[in-house]
Amino acid sequence: QQQVKQSPQSLIVQKGGISIINCAYENTAFDYFPWYQQFPGKGPALLIAIRPDVSEKKEGRFTISFNKSAKQFSLHIMDSQPGDSATYFCAASGPSGTYKYIFGTGTRLKVLA
Amino acid sequence: DAMVIQNPRYQVTQFGKPVTLSCSQTLNHNVMYWYQQKSSQAPKLLFHYYDKDFNNEADTPDNFQSRRPNTSFCFLDIRSPGLGDAAMYLCATSRGYPTNTEAFFGQGTRLTVV
Repeated sequence: QQQVKQSPQSLIVQKGGISIINCAYENTAFDYFPWYQQFPGKGPALLIAIRPDVSEKKEGRFTISFNKSAKQFSLHIMDSQPGDSATYFCAASGPSGTYKYIFGTGTRLKVLA
Repeated sequence: DAMVIQNPRYQVTQFGKPVTLSCSQTLNHNVMYWYQQKSSQAPKLLFHYYDKDFNNEADTPDNFQSRRPNTSFCFLDIRSPGLGDAAMYLCATSRGYPTNTEAFFGQGTRLTVV
């Protein structure tokens, strides 16, 4: 019940295309859902995050869609660029007071120039 | 402005020789975490502190220990490194109160065991 399932494992997108990564969870007590971007040899960095009281959040080219009833959330990268090539991890945390972040298995994104 | 600083960035140690990795933070966050990340895998939580309260994951080997002498610093001790302990070790912090928010990660320490 503590797992976060992420798909696809890898993704190749043409420059300018839309990249979509999906995650699913079981624990309805999770209340914070961040997406992290990680470049080789670097630590993960927060990209965007959402709480379950909203269904969508957009920051620049990055959008999270959240479906509470289906217990799924997804990351959409619009106008994908070669500089977006990285590994993306979804995560879930909660309830408040537990402080643990459960990570998905990661998606390696390659954007072709 | 580095907020979570890990030292060293690269560490080579001999099989069975104790090694300590360090982490410091300038964010004054309550929670500090140690994650282990092997190649092409997700970060795996080893343990975390809320202030001085230590929380060990059930599957973290006894070979791994941690110390948090004050708010700013946290150490990961590997008592007898094996070849399987070669990995990137990530330190992270979060505010923790009143609700969970962003976890900030350091750049990691790449541990090689020879």
